Amino acid sequence: DVKVTQSSRYLVKRTGEKVFLECVQDMDHENMFWYRQDPGLGLRLIYFSYDVKMKEKGDIPEGYSVSREKKERFSLILESASTNQTSMYLCASRGQTGGTGELFFGEGSRLTVL
Amino acid sequence: DQQVKQNSPSLSVQEGRISILNCDYTNSMFDYFLWYKKYPAEGPTFLISISSIKDKNEDGRFTVFLNKSAKHLSLHIVPSQPGDSAVYFCAASASNFGNEKLTFGTGTRLTIIP
Repeated sequence: DVKVTQSSRYLVKRTGEKVFLECVQDMDHENMFWYRQDPGLGLRLIYFSYDVKMKEKGDIPEGYSVSREKKERFSLILESASTNQTSMYLCASRGQTGGTGELFFGEGSRLTVL
Repeated sequence: DQQVKQNSPSLSVQEGRISILNCDYTNSMFDYFLWYKKYPAEGPTFLISISSIKDKNEDGRFTVFLNKSAKHLSLHIVPSQPGDSAVYFCAASASNFGNEKLTFGTGTRLTIIP
């Protein structure tokens, strides 16, 4: 059974703290993505990676960075958390070619910044 | 600028009837479209996709229709069941190639009334 696992389902952090969100996939996918979901705004792409050590900015990269040191792992980093980063964060992975082109999502990490 | 729009934030349908969810897009480079379903506190799951070379794709109770000239797609669910109550997102991409990013709509909350 294919799996994308996000390390924390729920986190509460204080403004200014550094936050790490970890994501691991077991499907040997080349491509991994970080989205955030907010009411009325849908899913917005933060960053994605199409290979180890490669990264591309999505639509809303400000305030975030990412790390992809191994193929199966893609981390999202909030260097200094702010209240407007309170959100549901979703990691996803995708194979390289053909098929349905679907993204496989993890269960999400709900982050609250106080 | 919202390139993928779902203009109905919510929809209620009687059990057994047809549910029709709509999606419009503005980017003419989009060539591949997907629908996802999301339950609360879970990641989105893939439902059905369609390539621009088709105008219809069917999978069981789910059918997606694409009108390229109108830049419009719709998801039909028939018959609707209580388990279909969820938020539905449409997504678009320039291809189904793995490193192509998906752009999501804002979502429609579907409620099936028993």
